[in-house]
Amino acid sequence: AQKITQTQPGMFVQEKEAVTLDCTYDTSDQSYGLFWYKQPSSGEMIFLIYQGSYDEQNATEGRYSLNFQKARKSANLVISASQLGDSAMYFCAMRGPLMNRDDKIIFGKGTRLHILP
Amino acid sequence: DTEVTQTPKHLVMGMTNKKSLKCEQHMGHRAMYWYKQKAKKPPELMFVYSYEKLSINESVPSRFSPECPNSSLLNLHLHALQPEDSALYLCASSQTSTVGQFFGPGTRLTVL
Repeated sequence: AQKITQTQPGMFVQEKEAVTLDCTYDTSDQSYGLFWYKQPSSGEMIFLIYQGSYDEQNATEGRYSLNFQKARKSANLVISASQLGDSAMYFCAMRGPLMNRDDKIIFGKGTRLHILP
Repeated sequence: DTEVTQTPKHLVMGMTNKKSLKCEQHMGHRAMYWYKQKAKKPPELMFVYSYEKLSINESVPSRFSPECPNSSLLNLHLHALQPEDSALYLCASSQTSTVGQFFGPGTRLTVL
């Protein structure tokens, strides 16, 4: 069975500092995908970044990068130069083998990030 | 058009009411989803439609009834709900697994 673990329920970070949000996962599949989503207080889930299990390079999207360490089964999100608008809940998520057609993804419990001015 | 829309944004209903939540996407995505999210919890998958056919029902009570009239629309019909069904209901769509699921803004449902 697949499992996502986010061990930081909440984090406080000073504006303009870099932030690392932890995510570890467990799966017996060889092929899988990892995602990060941001959920502001308004409720909308915003897709941030994707990493495939066979991707050799870490994914990057603007200020977001995913530190993928396959042997350690970790997929930490790094936000560079944090901004006040980064304050939100962040969810790590995983889907199973791409050959599966069920499109199910599972979410971690989330990390509430607070950026301090 | 790269968004998923949901109506209404807020809904208050009694336990004897019948209401529907609507979701629409015009990105040509083949899969659409309904999630339920309680406060401070991750989203929980309810239903998945793939190519307009129900492919996953996560043992959701029958008082929730999904419908996919066409490839762009997804409805969730609500009937005889309980107060514990109060939550944020999120709709999402996806084309391929590698770009993730795109979520709508959600409907905040309150059952009195």
